[in-house]
Amino acid sequence: QSALTQPASVSGSPGQSITISCTGTSSDVGSYNLVSWYQQHPGKAPKLMIYEVSKRPSGVSNRFSGSKSGNTASLTISGLQAEDEADYYCCSYAGSSTFLVFGGGTKLTVL
Amino acid sequence: QITLKESGPTLVKPTQTLTLTCTFSGFSLSTSGVGVGWIRQPPGKALEWLALIYWDDDKRYSPSLKSRLTITKDTSKNQVVLTMTNMDPVDTATYYCAHRPGSVVYDYWGQGTLVTVSS
Repeated sequence: QSALTQPASVSGSPGQSITISCTGTSSDVGSYNLVSWYQQHPGKAPKLMIYEVSKRPSGVSNRFSGSKSGNTASLTISGLQAEDEADYYCCSYAGSSTFLVFGGGTKLTVL
Repeated sequence: QITLKESGPTLVKPTQTLTLTCTFSGFSLSTSGVGVGWIRQPPGKALEWLALIYWDDDKRYSPSLKSRLTITKDTSKNQVVLTMTNMDPVDTATYYCAHRPGSVVYDYWGQGTLVTVSS
């Protein structure tokens, strides 16, 4: 069982917006603005999409955005495109003992 | 351009020790703030963080696996080595190494290497 809780799947049609939630606790998501999101296509390595809750690395589309409220972080993808279909994982710093935790992953299907 | 590549055995027997090497280029592990981490992913399952080594040789381990893991670096060879003792079939996974810049994030990943634990 993963430390962070994500929905197993979400779906949307091209052009629509979707949001993936990532629920942690006051020991991880709630305490640190160090949530990141990774996109993973089948058979590929994860790709960093969002870091420090809402920052985008260079080269990542501005259709991807992140936010956080309390113990829950969210990834929003606007203007869905076929190539967005992938698994998405959230990740949070969890203090010096536990250090880093991942979510269970969410499969995004573009209908 | 930052690249990382994992290497090691594809098959290990239960109770054996796994040794994986991450060979990287495009950055130096002697640069302040930089680190290299290991993350694994069992087939069809989620990512799991394993270990991290910093430029100053500080190390962090997953609490649940700490007793079985050792991470080391060879800065002159641009390599990071992860050893995991007492391997079990549940450790079957793709093992990734990744570059950690100054923040708590992994911005460049290796292609991963699938390790199967079976007798």
